[in-house]
Amino acid sequence: GAGVSQSPSNKVTEKGKDVELRCDPISGHTALYWYRQSLGQGLEFLIYFQGNSAPDKSGLPSDRFSAERTGGSVSTLTIQRTQQEDSAVYLCASSTQGATNEKLFFGSGTQLSVL
Amino acid sequence: GESVGLHLPTLSVQEGDNSIINCAYSNSASDYFIWYKQESGKGPQFIIDIRSNMDKRQGQRVTVLLNKTVKHLSLQIAATQPGDSAVYFCAENVRDTGRRALTFGSGTRLQVQP
Repeated sequence: GAGVSQSPSNKVTEKGKDVELRCDPISGHTALYWYRQSLGQGLEFLIYFQGNSAPDKSGLPSDRFSAERTGGSVSTLTIQRTQQEDSAVYLCASSTQGATNEKLFFGSGTQLSVL
Repeated sequence: GESVGLHLPTLSVQEGDNSIINCAYSNSASDYFIWYKQESGKGPQFIIDIRSNMDKRQGQRVTVLLNKTVKHLSLQIAATQPGDSAVYFCAENVRDTGRRALTFGSGTRLQVQP
């Protein structure tokens, strides 16, 4: 597609349930990023994928959070046993090569609400 | 989508005036800086970037200034328009940390009064 696509755009879940968030990066982009944006906050880095390299998971807040990227394209962010503090907008971005001076292209995000 | 940044610092300007949004960074090892614009319910959109070997860069109606001495970055928007109303984030890439992802500031809300 022309841009980064995320689904669903909104997700409401009950505390304790698992959720999966999907990201389709821009075709040909080898680097993919997940960020979280809580209300009134900036973007918090979660995880970074670059080609076939091991992902940088240093931003994941707990072991309830995991992500995978299949075939170097689509990525899924999974949150297990969701908590109310997980409520936020989850943003996915991609870049051409993942170099340090590349701009990121963002999707519109998934608004997650944990009741 | 839900609005972001309800408790952010806010800059209010009149339409047609110039806007200046400021950002301080703390890491002297940062070597790449970027400004994003985020409208309600949307993802951040790239505006302009600058590398640390430069102190000024201009785009269409926007200018980014980098002062490495005081670790300060600013975004200037000329002839501000209602469509410029959004939350603006600066972001930096810190060299030598091993992390390729950008680190974002907390954002500034720009409100353009007609």
